[in-house]
Amino acid sequence: GQNIDQPTEMTATEGAIVQINCTYQTSGFNGLFWYQQHAGEAPTFLSYNVLDGLEEKGRFSSFLSRSKGYSYLLLKELQMKDSASYLCAVMDSNYQLIWGAGTKLIIKP
Amino acid sequence: SQTIHQWPATLVQPVGSPLSLECTVEGTSNPNLYWYRQAAGRGLQLLFYSVGIGQISSEVPQNLSASRPQDRQFILSSKKLLLSDSGFYLCAWRASSGDTGELFFGEGSRLTVL
Repeated sequence: GQNIDQPTEMTATEGAIVQINCTYQTSGFNGLFWYQQHAGEAPTFLSYNVLDGLEEKGRFSSFLSRSKGYSYLLLKELQMKDSASYLCAVMDSNYQLIWGAGTKLIIKP
Repeated sequence: SQTIHQWPATLVQPVGSPLSLECTVEGTSNPNLYWYRQAAGRGLQLLFYSVGIGQISSEVPQNLSASRPQDRQFILSSKKLLLSDSGFYLCAWRASSGDTGELFFGEGSRLTVL
């Protein structure tokens, strides 16, 4: 079957760096997405990786290793507003998204 | 620019009552449309998707149904709600099939069935 694994919850300190990991097993691969979802709101797009390597976008970076079925989202200079759930999703061979359960990130002052 | 709206934002319904959630997209043509449900602490569950008017694919057998009467309108319905239908429902759109573009989500509809 298809499976996306990511930690349920993580805690970090304001101003620090945090890495959220995602491992996947899917039928085919057409890219990996990271979304941010604040409580009670809809997910918003953060990043898309289809080739191996690191994609940097401001304070957020996303890494992909297709051979290992592994990605991470790196958040730098954490701010209180970064407290949210972070969803990892993989697009399979049918161009359908398979979603992880999300990682709830708690930022402490 | 493209926008997506869904309503109502919040509703509380008794068991056995009907449901209708509506979603519309503006600023694009022939989008792929999706209905997801998100239960607390769980990932997004794809309920239905549509690649064109009148074309609906169901991912999960249940007492819900979907319709696409117009190109940019997607409706989620039920004739009789169950307690297990409670959750956060999200409508989303993406460019046409085969595109690896991102999903854009509506604001979400929180349904509580009592």
